[in-house]
Amino acid sequence: DIVMTQTPLSSPVTLGQPASISCRSSQSLVHSNGNTYLSWLQQRPGQPPRLLIHKISDRFSGVPDRFSGSGAGTDFTLKISRVEPEDVGTYYCMQATQHPYTFGQGTKLEIK
Amino acid sequence: EVQLVESGGGLVKPGESLRLSCAASGFTFRNSWMGWARQAPGKGLEWVGHITSNSDGGTTDYASAVKGRFTISRDDSKDTLSLQMDSLKIEDTAMYYCTTDRYNWGQGTLVTVSS
Repeated sequence: DIVMTQTPLSSPVTLGQPASISCRSSQSLVHSNGNTYLSWLQQRPGQPPRLLIHKISDRFSGVPDRFSGSGAGTDFTLKISRVEPEDVGTYYCMQATQHPYTFGQGTKLEIK
Repeated sequence: EVQLVESGGGLVKPGESLRLSCAASGFTFRNSWMGWARQAPGKGLEWVGHITSNSDGGTTDYASAVKGRFTISRDDSKDTLSLQMDSLKIEDTAMYYCTTDRYNWGQGTLVTVSS
């Protein structure tokens, strides 16, 4: 199985400031069809997960443009340009290139 | 609006079985790949498995931890996804989420395995 490793595991941030989360996969996430199925999900406290970004950088429906994704191959990044109070929660990267799909350990975003 | 509503969770003993259901609406279910993920209390997300659309073969794939014990199926006539869980273990205790192959998620149903 592909192992997904996130850093940091905890990120205290100041409201209005940027935040960044990294995700590294144990092998390339480039599918044989040329796509890279790397997603980012947000889970607010007490809520189910919510897809933010898919295929590295495509924002899902209704996701604010302060969220952006980048990367290639095995190294990926989620950036929040200006953290807002509703961004508090845990963020997961996830690969869907190879079965079974796998998640990173999660990064907890907290307000300083 | 996409809606996924899970049901069937509850308290069972180790070795027993349980069947979860997910009622889907707001999208063309028969064309959609569907999946289950779970989250143990206080832990991260874990993919359980998925099923492709019948037009893509209706094939299933499972995480190693559940392979041989869990079975995912779909009823396109009822827009319903199912997860049959047999030989349940204490470590299967988790919130189980239905998902449109990671794009949309239900609220989850809690499964507790305890003696």
